[in-house]
Amino acid sequence: SSELTQDPAVSVALGQTVRITCQGDSLRNYYTSWYQQKPGQAPVLVIYGKNNRPSGIPDQFSGSSSGNTASLTITGAQAEDEADYYCNSRDTSNNHWVFGGGTRLTVL
Amino acid sequence: QVQLQESGPGLVKPSETLSLTCTVSGGFISNYYLSWIRQPPGKGLEWIGYIYNSGSTNYNPSLKSRVTISVDTSKNQFSLKLSSVTAADTAVYYCARGGGSVYYYYMDVWGKGTTVTVSS
Repeated sequence: SSELTQDPAVSVALGQTVRITCQGDSLRNYYTSWYQQKPGQAPVLVIYGKNNRPSGIPDQFSGSSSGNTASLTITGAQAEDEADYYCNSRDTSNNHWVFGGGTRLTVL
Repeated sequence: QVQLQESGPGLVKPSETLSLTCTVSGGFISNYYLSWIRQPPGKGLEWIGYIYNSGSTNYNPSLKSRVTISVDTSKNQFSLKLSSVTAADTAVYYCARGGGSVYYYYMDVWGKGTTVTVSS
C-alpha cells in the first residue's frame, strides 16, 4: 500500500472539469508533483511544486493543496486527457519519495 | 532536446544482479536529480531512488539493501544495480532527470522504459 492515497478511478464528461486528489500526512509540509501516463508510454510530468507547469503542458492542468490533500484539476477535459495520473511526494518519514497508487481517468 | 535512453539485459536470472544504464543526450546531468522508477506489469509506479550532485543518494527503504545508483559524468550516464532479484522485480524500468528542493522533487524528462524479466 502507498502512503499517498488516490481514488483508483474517476470519470468526467467531455468538456467538464475534474479534480483528482492525493491524500497523505506528508502533504501538509511538502509539495506534490503529478504525472500523466497513457497506455504503453512513459509518464509525463504535468504539475510540480506549488503549481508549476513544465513547458508544453497546457494551462488546463493546475495543482493545489489544502491540509493533507493535494489536487490536480483538469479544466475542460478532452478525450486525450484519458490516462492514469500519479502523484509523488515525500513519504511519512519525510526522508524518501513515494508515488500514489494512481487514478485512472475516463473521459465520457 | 534532452533525451534519456535505458539499456541493459531484458532477462535476468533469479538471485543475480540487474544492471541498467541510462544515457543522457542533448543535455547535462550535473546538478540534476537522476532517478530510477519501475512499474510491474499492470501495476502502478514505484520510486526506486535517485543520485544528486554525483554523490548524494536517496533510495526507497524497501529496496535500499539491494540498490545502488551511480553516475559517470564523463559519459553522461547513470546506472542502476539491483541485487538478489526475484520474480517480484520483473517490471518496466524507467530512468528520469529532474530537479527539486527540500519541499518538492520532480522528474521532467523520462526515458521510454525498458522491460526486465526475472526468470530462470
